[in-house]
Amino acid sequence: ETGVTQTPRHLVMGMTNKKSLKCEQHLGHNAMYWYKQSAKKPLELMFVYNFKEQTENNSVPSRFSPECPNSSHLFLHLHTLQPEDSALYLCASSQEGAGGDSGANVLTFGAGSRLTVL
Amino acid sequence: AQSVAQPEDQVNVAEGNPLTVKCTYSVSGNPYLFWYVQYPNRGLQFLLKYITGDNLVKGSYGFEAEFNKSQTSFHLKKPSALVSDSALYFCAVRGFMNTGFQKLVFGTGTRLLVSP
Repeated sequence: ETGVTQTPRHLVMGMTNKKSLKCEQHLGHNAMYWYKQSAKKPLELMFVYNFKEQTENNSVPSRFSPECPNSSHLFLHLHTLQPEDSALYLCASSQEGAGGDSGANVLTFGAGSRLTVL
Repeated sequence: AQSVAQPEDQVNVAEGNPLTVKCTYSVSGNPYLFWYVQYPNRGLQFLLKYITGDNLVKGSYGFEAEFNKSQTSFHLKKPSALVSDSALYFCAVRGFMNTGFQKLVFGTGTRLLVSP
C-alpha cells in the first residue's frame, strides 16, 4: 500500500449510469490529482486540488465532475460517459508548499480504478 | 509548453545485461525531470529525480539516470537487469498550469521486458 487508496478497483458501467470513483490518502498531503491513463498515450492530468481548492480543470468534459470535501478525500463523479472514456483512472497526492513551489513534485499514486464503459 | 518523449514503446533485454530506457525533454528554463515505474495492477511509483547538481542521479532498485543538457535527454539506466524490473516506465518533466501551480507532464511510457 502506498498510502493512497482508490475504490472501486474495477467498474463497468453503461453510458446512462451515474457512478463515482473514490480516493483517500493518509499521508497528510495537501494536493490531490486525477489522471487518466490510456494505452500508448501520455498520462492526462484531469484535475488538481491544492489545499482543497480546485486549481486546474484541464479541459475535461463536464461528464466528469470532481469533488474534494477535505484534503484527504477526492471523488470523481461520472455521468453519461462514452466508450472512449474507458481507461485507468489514477489518483495521486503530493505535499506542496504554500506557494505551490515545493520543487519536489514527488507524487504518490493509488493503484487506479479500471473503468469500462459499455 | 513542456513535454517529454519516450521514443521506444518497448525495450527488451536479457537478465544480467545493462538496460537503457530513453527520454528526451523540451522545456524552457532549467528542467526538473523524473522517472516513475508502474508494475502490473499498480499505480506509478517514484524512482528518481533530477533537480540540479550531479548529472548522474541514483534512485531506487539500483536504477540511475543521466541528465544531458546538450542532448536534452534523461535516459534511465541499470547496469544489470532483473526479471523483476519488467514494468512500464514513465519519464516526466515539471510544467506549470495557467494558475502557476506546478504539475508533472508525463511521456507515453516504455514497457521494459527482461527475459530470463
